[in-house]
Amino acid sequence: DAGITQSPRYKITETGRQVTLMCHQTWSHSYMFWYRQDLGHGLRLIYYSAAADITDKGEVPDGYVVSRSKTENFPLTLESATRSQTSVYFCASRRGLASPGNEQYFGPGTRLTVT
Amino acid sequence: QKEVEQDPGPLSVPEGAIVSLNCTYSNSAFQYFMWYRQYSRKGPELLMYTYSSGNKEDGRFTAQVDKSSKYISLFIRDSQPSDSATYLCAILTGGGNKLTFGTGTQLKVEL
Repeated sequence: DAGITQSPRYKITETGRQVTLMCHQTWSHSYMFWYRQDLGHGLRLIYYSAAADITDKGEVPDGYVVSRSKTENFPLTLESATRSQTSVYFCASRRGLASPGNEQYFGPGTRLTVT
Repeated sequence: QKEVEQDPGPLSVPEGAIVSLNCTYSNSAFQYFMWYRQYSRKGPELLMYTYSSGNKEDGRFTAQVDKSSKYISLFIRDSQPSDSATYLCAILTGGGNKLTFGTGTQLKVEL
């Protein structure tokens, strides 16, 4: 039972390239999230999805695209990577609205470097 | 003003010490507060949550909310080297959809 997985775990790419980070969860959670984590900024929400085919912007969505055609997958695409997108990216999932006992689970992260 | 602010540390304490980690938040309407623990090169994991106000205890960990001063705290008693991690406070915002995180406090418990 893998839970929530991310791939790749590490990625180096060049400025201007398109990059897709994958996220897969096995719990059939309705909510999925993408965060980036940077020193001094903590975890910032990029996009989230409440269900398949429903997505919404978070705090820092510019330069990113998401889709959710299946409940279990939530890929994040950097359309034209920039150095400022060098970061650690975390995917998360949750069964429903946040409430006591309805925990948000995080994946292991993808460390992305844009050169 | 940020919705939640947290001292980034780092904080270094000897084994057995009592640790106090703190966050402040801006909106008095917030009611659901969480603490996540993140080990190096891992994803965050939920440590504790509190709803509304007061204290919640779980083993060596106590989460406390002071709504009058908009202050949330995590206390760790008898700290252990295995407690060395980054601790992030989080607040439920966005009508129940989103968590807003503090920047995290890096804690090191030394032998």
